[in-house]
Amino acid sequence: GAVVSQHPSWVICKSGTSVKIECRSLDFQATTMFWYRQFPKQSLMLMATSNEGSKATYEQGVEKDKFLINHASLTLSTLTVTSAHPEDSSFYICSARENRPPYEQYFGPGTRLTVT
Amino acid sequence: QQQVKQSPQSLIVQKGGISIINCAYENTAFDYFPWYQQFPGKGPALLIAIRPDVSEKKEGRFTISFNKSAKQFSLHIMDSQPGDSATYFCAATYSGGGADGLTFGKGTHLIIQP
Repeated sequence: GAVVSQHPSWVICKSGTSVKIECRSLDFQATTMFWYRQFPKQSLMLMATSNEGSKATYEQGVEKDKFLINHASLTLSTLTVTSAHPEDSSFYICSARENRPPYEQYFGPGTRLTVT
Repeated sequence: QQQVKQSPQSLIVQKGGISIINCAYENTAFDYFPWYQQFPGKGPALLIAIRPDVSEKKEGRFTISFNKSAKQFSLHIMDSQPGDSATYFCAATYSGGGADGLTFGKGTHLIIQP
């Protein structure tokens, strides 16, 4: 099956610093990738849609200046959490959508962010 | 995002039994309904998915039943095993043309007792 990787798998940072998370589709091209956030024992919430070569689309309530998304190639999207605060601590998961039918979405293993 | 309602929130099933998880959606534009399995600390893994043109899809021990008129779909896990213990999420999206993210249900914590 299609494989999506994320790096790092976990990161601890100090409040006020920025953290970059990478999402890669390893064996397929993905014009579109998605970023989700999951709090403990809760469901996944879509944060933004990342489109290769264009600006990301953010869901209502998600600060685009805080969560910077760059989709530089057909296999790589990055999420940068800027000026991180403890309330940004969460499990961030990306998914990559195949460019051909049935347009399956495959998820990465997630990145655990802890802001101290 | 339109809501996807999932039930039950938690479920305990004896080994060898049938696990049933139900979901209901509101947006009639949704045309792709996947189920994901998630273990603690891991990303969700696609289990099985269905589109509205069929009423049932089976893959191994996993079956999706789909009722378009009722806007409901369910996951059946036959011969449930302890290794199936995980959190299961139903999801829905519109897949045609554009690229919409998935709307997830709240999840079902499944425990299979040996």
